[in-house]
Amino acid sequence: KAGVTQTPRYLIKTRGQQVTLSCSPISGHRSVSWYQQTPGQGLQFLFEYFSETQRNKGNFPGRFSGRQFSNSRSEMNVSTLELGDSALYLCASSSDRGLEGNTIYFGEGSWLTVV
Amino acid sequence: AQSVTQLGSHVSVSEGALVLLRCNYSSSVPPYLFWYVQYPNQGLQLLLKYTSAATLVKGINGFEAEFKKSETSFHLTKPSAHMSDAAEYFCAVSDQGGKLIFGQGTTLQVKP
Repeated sequence: KAGVTQTPRYLIKTRGQQVTLSCSPISGHRSVSWYQQTPGQGLQFLFEYFSETQRNKGNFPGRFSGRQFSNSRSEMNVSTLELGDSALYLCASSSDRGLEGNTIYFGEGSWLTVV
Repeated sequence: AQSVTQLGSHVSVSEGALVLLRCNYSSSVPPYLFWYVQYPNQGLQLLLKYTSAATLVKGINGFEAEFKKSETSFHLTKPSAHMSDAAEYFCAVSDQGGKLIFGQGTTLQVKP
């Protein structure tokens, strides 16, 4: 069974640009969540989608957005990039919507560098 | 609010020695706790998960963790470290909405 797949793995963007990251969850998983990992802030929750609806959102500015498609694939978008957005963006999937105790499986991540 | 604290941002052991990575949690309800491992330039891999079925949880790669309610701890151990265990380890608690709240991570160095 294929794991969580994220594309692209590495990308470099310029301040002010926007970026879209893609995620394909484990087959059969309907919940997709996104996390940001930085050396200073560690791992922080961005948002979670289930059945194309955002179910939960972390404390990030509106420049961070996402969506989920009918096949459960998800994208996240960051507009007006800032240097501080440089991070590893991790997508994760689970079989059910956001429930306490759900096992969450992570992808390899997308490394974003903003210059 | 739920939280986890990992004591020690860096732990160094010799190959073959006991590995002990510490995690304390704060939760007003019985928690769901996880340990993940991150190898360089990779994502997070689930090591084990506590769901209250048993206080001693066995995971992959010879790791296990013991839930101690009286100490609000969920420390990760492995009897004998291998060089391949060198990585960063994260303890996490699941909140009621299902999102994971992570500790700051502990980097494990294994010396030959």
